[in-house]
Amino acid sequence: DAGVIQSPRHEVTEMGQEVTLRCKPISGHDYLFWYRQTMMRGLELLIYFNNNVPIDDSGMPEDRFSAKMPNASFSTLKIQPSEPRDSAVYFCASRGSGGGETQYFGPGTRLLVL
Amino acid sequence: GEDVEQSLFLSVREGDSSVINCTYTDSSSTYLYWYKQEPGAGLQLLTYIFSNMDMKQDQRLTVLLNKKDKHLSLRIADTQTGDSAIYFCAESIRSNTGKLIFGQGTTLQVKP
Repeated sequence: DAGVIQSPRHEVTEMGQEVTLRCKPISGHDYLFWYRQTMMRGLELLIYFNNNVPIDDSGMPEDRFSAKMPNASFSTLKIQPSEPRDSAVYFCASRGSGGGETQYFGPGTRLLVL
Repeated sequence: GEDVEQSLFLSVREGDSSVINCTYTDSSSTYLYWYKQEPGAGLQLLTYIFSNMDMKQDQRLTVLLNKKDKHLSLRIADTQTGDSAIYFCAESIRSNTGKLIFGQGTTLQVKP
């Protein structure tokens, strides 16, 4: 399996622009997680899905952030409009329902908002 | 509440053993994990331990779990420069379906 796939790997944009981050989970996994990592705040869980349904979005910072999972093999995290304080590394992770509850992480998207 | 705490930094010499410590607050944890993050990369699962175990060994890695004190440690024997990374402790909570609670990460620096 290719693992969790994220795109783009790097994104540089200007304040006010819309940013869309993409994730393909590991095939057969039914949980998908979006995290944000910054030096100041560490690793933060933004939202997670189970069977394509959002379960907990309490970590989404504000209404500018939205996430969707239209099918089992694809999810997006959108920021509109983007702000410089959104600059961070965004990780997607997935896991199956079997024992271990282990999450497998993608390589991340490095976002810089100027 | 749910909280996981780690020290932020550890420096060792190549060939020495490293011990990274973690404390957690939720006694209903089912699994506890150690992840490794190398510069510019995502988090990679190193090992995990089920909450009814007190020790797990995997090659150079030894995980010790003290449930009474809610303390987890990761020992790396014969530490190499390639072990330099950030190490995250995480717990899964029985009452929270699917979610992991992560510590803030310990940066391990291995000096030649």
